[in-house]
Amino acid sequence: QKEVEQDPGPLSVPEGAIVSLNCTYSNSAFQYFMWYRQYSRKGPELLMYTYSSGNKEDGRFTAQVDKSSKYISLFIRDSQPSDSATYLCAMKRPGGYQKVTFGIGTKLQVIP
Amino acid sequence: DGGITQSPKYLFRKEGQNVTLSCEQNLNHDAMYWYRQDPGQGLRLIYYSQIVNDFQKGDIAEGYSVSREKKESFPLTVTSAQKNPTAFYLCASQGGGGEATGELFFGEGSRLTVL
Repeated sequence: QKEVEQDPGPLSVPEGAIVSLNCTYSNSAFQYFMWYRQYSRKGPELLMYTYSSGNKEDGRFTAQVDKSSKYISLFIRDSQPSDSATYLCAMKRPGGYQKVTFGIGTKLQVIP
Repeated sequence: DGGITQSPKYLFRKEGQNVTLSCEQNLNHDAMYWYRQDPGQGLRLIYYSQIVNDFQKGDIAEGYSVSREKKESFPLTVTSAQKNPTAFYLCASQGGGGEATGELFFGEGSRLTVL
C-alpha cells in the first residue's frame, strides 16, 4: 500500500464549478500537508500549506485536513480555465528535513 | 529574482552516455533535492542534500550520482547504469532549518530523452 493515495483523474468540470480534490494517507506521523499545482511541462508550485487538522482558506482555494480519517482535501470555488493543471498533494513528518511524500497528482481540466 | 534554475530544459542522450543536469539556487536554502517524475508514478526522490559536502540517497538512487560542493549548486549525473533514464527531472530546495515545514521550491525541470 502506498503511503499517499490520490486519484489521477483526469477530472473535467465546467467553468464556475466547485472542484474537490482528495488524498488519503496511511502514516499517522504526517503533520504538514501541502497542495502543489503543476502546469504542463513546468515544475510544481506550492498552492496551500496546512499544519495538523483543520481548514485553511486562500481566495478561491480551501485546504482541509481530517487527521482522524487520514484524509485531506483541496476545494476550488468558481473554477477557471487557468486552474487547469495537475494538483499534487504532499505531506511530511515534523522535525527538520524529513522527506516529503507526494501523491501521484490529479489532472484537472476546467472547460470554458 | 530568487529561485531555482535548471538546465538544460531538454536533453537527448544516446545509450551508454553519462549526462549531467544542472541545478542552481539563489534562495540561500540549505537543503536541495532531486526528483524524477514519470506518468502515473508521481514524484520519486533520487538524492537529497541538507548541507554542503553531504548528501543522501533517496528512494531510487541507483544509476545516479550527485555532488554538493557549493550551497547554491546541486548537479545530478545520470549514468549509463541507469536502466530507464527517460523522464522529467525536477530539482527543489527547502529552507527553514530545523523548522522546515516541507515547502519545496522547484525549478522548471529538465526533460531527458534517451535515443
